[in-house]
Amino acid sequence: NAGVTQTPKFQVLKTGQSMTLQCAQDMNHEYMSWYRQDPGMGLRLIHYSVGAGITDQGEVPNGYNVSRSTTEDFPLRLLSAAPSQTSVYFCASSFQGNSGNTIYFGEGSWLTVV
Amino acid sequence: AQSVTQPDIHITVSEGASLELRCNYSYGATPYLFWYVQSPGQGLQLLLKYFSGDTLVQGIKGFEAEFKRSQSSFNLRKPSVHWSDAAEYFCAVASVGWGDYKLSFGAGTTVTVRA
Repeated sequence: NAGVTQTPKFQVLKTGQSMTLQCAQDMNHEYMSWYRQDPGMGLRLIHYSVGAGITDQGEVPNGYNVSRSTTEDFPLRLLSAAPSQTSVYFCASSFQGNSGNTIYFGEGSWLTVV
Repeated sequence: AQSVTQPDIHITVSEGASLELRCNYSYGATPYLFWYVQSPGQGLQLLLKYFSGDTLVQGIKGFEAEFKRSQSSFNLRKPSVHWSDAAEYFCAVASVGWGDYKLSFGAGTTVTVRA
């Protein structure tokens, strides 16, 4: 059981370049989300999805795009990278069971925009 | 909107001493509450969570947390700290209900353990 898999783990981009952070989960979870982590700010929600074909914005969505064509995959696209998007990105998936929400995180993707 | 405050940015504790990390939340209804730990360069590991029922929650690695509704707090404790507990700790709150699993995180507390 792989859980939540993020790729790439490390990436350096030049300002203005575009790229996609991949996220896949093999637990058949309905809910997936992307967070960014910055020093002193904890994790902030970028976008989330409650099922295939359904996405919505979180707290800091500007500069990012998402889609959810399958239950398993939830890629995050940076359309035109900016230095302010240098961060660590975490993908998460979850389901709601009898003991409440169980949220699983990927191992993170370290992105540097120069 | 839900929010979380972790008042302590950095705590230093001696190995073998007790540890308490503070967490205060703001949420209009019954919250889901979580504590995560992150070692440098690593992802997030769930220590424990509160959903309902007993307000004292036991987690992994010897950690426990107590939900106090009257104080809007969910403080994390460990009776005797090990050097391997040096890490950053995040408190998080999620709203309750189907289709709503969005987490709001505190800014984190960095724990340093001295020999």
